[in-house]
Amino acid sequence: AQKITQTQPGMFVQEKEAVTLDCTYDTSDPSYGLFWYKQPSSGEMIFLIYQGSYDQQNATEGRYSLNFQKARKSANLVISASQLGDSAMYFCAMREGRGNYGQNFVFGPGTRLSVLP
Amino acid sequence: EAGVTQFPSHSVIEKGQTVTLRCDPISGHDNLYWYRRVMGKEIKFLLHFVKESKQDESGMPNNRFLAERTGGTYSTLKVQPAELEDSGVYFCASSRLRHEQYFGPGTRLTVT
Repeated sequence: AQKITQTQPGMFVQEKEAVTLDCTYDTSDPSYGLFWYKQPSSGEMIFLIYQGSYDQQNATEGRYSLNFQKARKSANLVISASQLGDSAMYFCAMREGRGNYGQNFVFGPGTRLSVLP
Repeated sequence: EAGVTQFPSHSVIEKGQTVTLRCDPISGHDNLYWYRRVMGKEIKFLLHFVKESKQDESGMPNNRFLAERTGGTYSTLKVQPAELEDSGVYFCASSRLRHEQYFGPGTRLTVT
């Protein structure tokens, strides 16, 4: 079963508008973390935002916010005031489990965002 | 601090040849991960080192892939012999804490 689903292979948004990138996940582990990464055309993976399963509030980082709906198992990324430099692939990822060391990630297929001038 | 670095950035080899990818994690990061993305598919986990020990190698596709992490510092991923389906982008990531994984720029491997 797919653990991370991103239903939007591609999205367009007008510059300065807000856009929401969808992500739903599947896990039976009560402890998990959700992440969003940006991959521009240069190829590197850039960490954007993190939400822990026990976090009470939605995560925010500058223009990025995560709309975390635990009961629906969704963790949508909201980008406000889109900029041309936001054009990139966006990956939703989940880390399951607990422990003192990092666990591996499961990634979604990605959404390609194009910001129009 | 310097980020995760990977070498080479791009490698083109023929089927049957051997290629070794290198990853230098962020200094002080005990956790090191290898991932790969094959031909537009999802990014898949390969393995996880904690210092020099393999914590989880459940994602390694077959015994043509060998990963090592000498002295808990840099890591190498060797593919021998390479097959066409090994083409893709190989990412390395490192972390100190549980919820931080910093990715390198990736190595694009093309097997012809």
